Amino acid sequence: QKEVEQDPGPLSVPEGAIVSLNCTYSNSAFQYFMWYRQYSRKGPELLMYTYSSGNKEDGRFTAQVDKSSKYISLFIRDSQPSDSATYLCAMTGGTGGFKTIFGAGTRLFVKA
Amino acid sequence: EAGVTQSPTHLIKTRGQQATLRCSPISGHTSVYWYQQALGLGLQFLLWYDEGEERNRGNFPPRFSGRQFPNYSSELNVNALELEDSALYLCASSPVATGELFFGEGSRLTVL
Repeated sequence: QKEVEQDPGPLSVPEGAIVSLNCTYSNSAFQYFMWYRQYSRKGPELLMYTYSSGNKEDGRFTAQVDKSSKYISLFIRDSQPSDSATYLCAMTGGTGGFKTIFGAGTRLFVKA
Repeated sequence: EAGVTQSPTHLIKTRGQQATLRCSPISGHTSVYWYQQALGLGLQFLLWYDEGEERNRGNFPPRFSGRQFPNYSSELNVNALELEDSALYLCASSPVATGELFFGEGSRLTVL
């Protein structure tokens, strides 16, 4: 079993839709949870960084962490064609130190 | 503020040769991470350096090695190159042990 599971997609939605991206993990020691966006042939860009369970909102993006279920989500409201990218969940902390583990990434296409 | 810079952008080598990739972290960041992103695969953790010391290592053979210099820049060396080493190599830096990674644009290594 992988430490972090993420559906690779692709996920295709119309412009303006609400997008839900999810990851599950197995290591209960993870403490910090992140979402990155990666455009083709570019390095990943940090979108959201959260610690502990709960919600964090930043503009059109909301990150949700449920430690009891080992489940994290990223919601994108009013999705735009410019949101088309690969979204990677990542987590770190705990007994593994700060070796950040990434999900496989979900490819998102937002159609105009 | 300058971001993480990596060089070279592209590198072409043949099997059995050695490759050296370089990374300069964001000013003030002491941790440097290296990841391999092969085509269609997620980010695989290679190495983590902090304050000049190797702190953690991913599941890669010893021919992948690196170091961190006193100015916190880092280099990744790959010896005895194999075809499957062809990938995008990403460097990231982090403020002191937060797990929050800031990536460079990567070095694309092609092994022929």
